[in-house]
Amino acid sequence: QVQLVQSGPEVKKPGSSVKVSCKAFGGTFSSHAISWVRQAPGQGLEWMGGVIPIYGKSTYAQRFQGRVTITADESTSTAYMELSSLRSEDTAIYFCARDINWFDIWGQGTVVTVAS
Amino acid sequence: SYDLTQPLSMSVALGQTARITCGGNNIGNKHLHWYQQKPGQAPVLVIFRDTNRPSGIPERFSGSNSANTATLTISRAQAGDEADYYCQVWDSGTWVFGGGTKLTVL
Repeated sequence: QVQLVQSGPEVKKPGSSVKVSCKAFGGTFSSHAISWVRQAPGQGLEWMGGVIPIYGKSTYAQRFQGRVTITADESTSTAYMELSSLRSEDTAIYFCARDINWFDIWGQGTVVTVAS
Repeated sequence: SYDLTQPLSMSVALGQTARITCGGNNIGNKHLHWYQQKPGQAPVLVIFRDTNRPSGIPERFSGSNSANTATLTISRAQAGDEADYYCQVWDSGTWVFGGGTKLTVL
């Protein structure tokens, strides 16, 4: 069974960038999409975008266009989400999830704190 | 953009049936998925494609989707069902989540 393991917590300054990783263990990686979802404190789930590793094709939610880059490295079975121009409102938990037309497996989440 | 509307919160007595709704324009024409999220944990898929349960999800969880409303039904509610529940659809190249419903088991 595939497991998604994310990188550790991050503390960033406003205006900087953060890159979060999501490594797949125990199964095929390339043929399924990986999506990224964030959850601000006390708020709901928000889809940011996704990537299909085998094609290297990424799609993004409109509100993050131009600020987020989602990539995948098939050789290491790892997906990445990089968010730039960070502001305090980007403080959230960031989850990756395997997207097989629904999100059947989720990473444990990565806490990103943006503070000066 | 497509909107999914869920009640902010609801409660159910232990052992009774909870019905959590998710409203959207012609949502019955889309595949609808449900997730359960407990505090401090990642979401867990409980229903996919309207009515299907992943392995490991109790039969007490069921779903329906018709017209403008999808419903997640939790029968014989247990204390462990207390969580936030989110509905999700794919629309116009974007994944959309409902705002989430906090279920309290009394």
